[in-house]
Amino acid sequence: GQQVMQIPQYQHVQEGEDFTTYCNSSTTLSNIQWYKQRPGGHPVFLIQLVKSGEVKKQKRLTFQFGEAKKNSSLHITATQTTDVGTYFCAGPNTGFQKLVFGTGTRLLVSP
Amino acid sequence: EPEVTQTPSHQVTQMGQEVILRCVPISNHLYFYWYRQILGQKVEFLVSFYNNEISEKSEIFDDQFSVERPDGSNFTLKIRSTKLEDSAMYFCASSSRGQSYEQYFGPGTRLTVT
Repeated sequence: GQQVMQIPQYQHVQEGEDFTTYCNSSTTLSNIQWYKQRPGGHPVFLIQLVKSGEVKKQKRLTFQFGEAKKNSSLHITATQTTDVGTYFCAGPNTGFQKLVFGTGTRLLVSP
Repeated sequence: EPEVTQTPSHQVTQMGQEVILRCVPISNHLYFYWYRQILGQKVEFLVSFYNNEISEKSEIFDDQFSVERPDGSNFTLKIRSTKLEDSAMYFCASSSRGQSYEQYFGPGTRLTVT
């Protein structure tokens, strides 16, 4: 079945450093979504990318969808302690019926 | 801002007992989902529900699981005979346009099976 892997599993940075998580799907995706889950919280939708090669920015966050629509990345510039959490990518399976979540990258930011 | 609500926030039950987890999706949403997350792991899809029927279910969603929309607002997940490995956080989510679009998650119900 479809698998969505993310690297790294965990990253610990100092506040102000940059952070990137990479997402790779075993199959081509019609779109990719990114969610953030704070410790003890629930997934919160961040953004959706649809087009091949698409790049979207939200303040310090930059999201990219690969040309082959099988990979994506999230880059955070100058991390802040409020960025702490686990970042998941998610994509619908080939039948468009279910959302498959990636393995997640847990980000810890030290002040 | 509208939000998905879930009750209870924490449920402790004995192995073999039935549990019902409840969710109230966002009122104008048409697509409803249940996910589970074992502590420290990824979010796993269980089932999607649209137009009063299951549209897709995962291999996890076996005969012990069922979903229902008993009225115009609630969406429930029933586990008939709980097992230890059912211990997890269960999230309900809803969407206005289907699984290819933004999903709004509830705060979750932590299920502990002893």
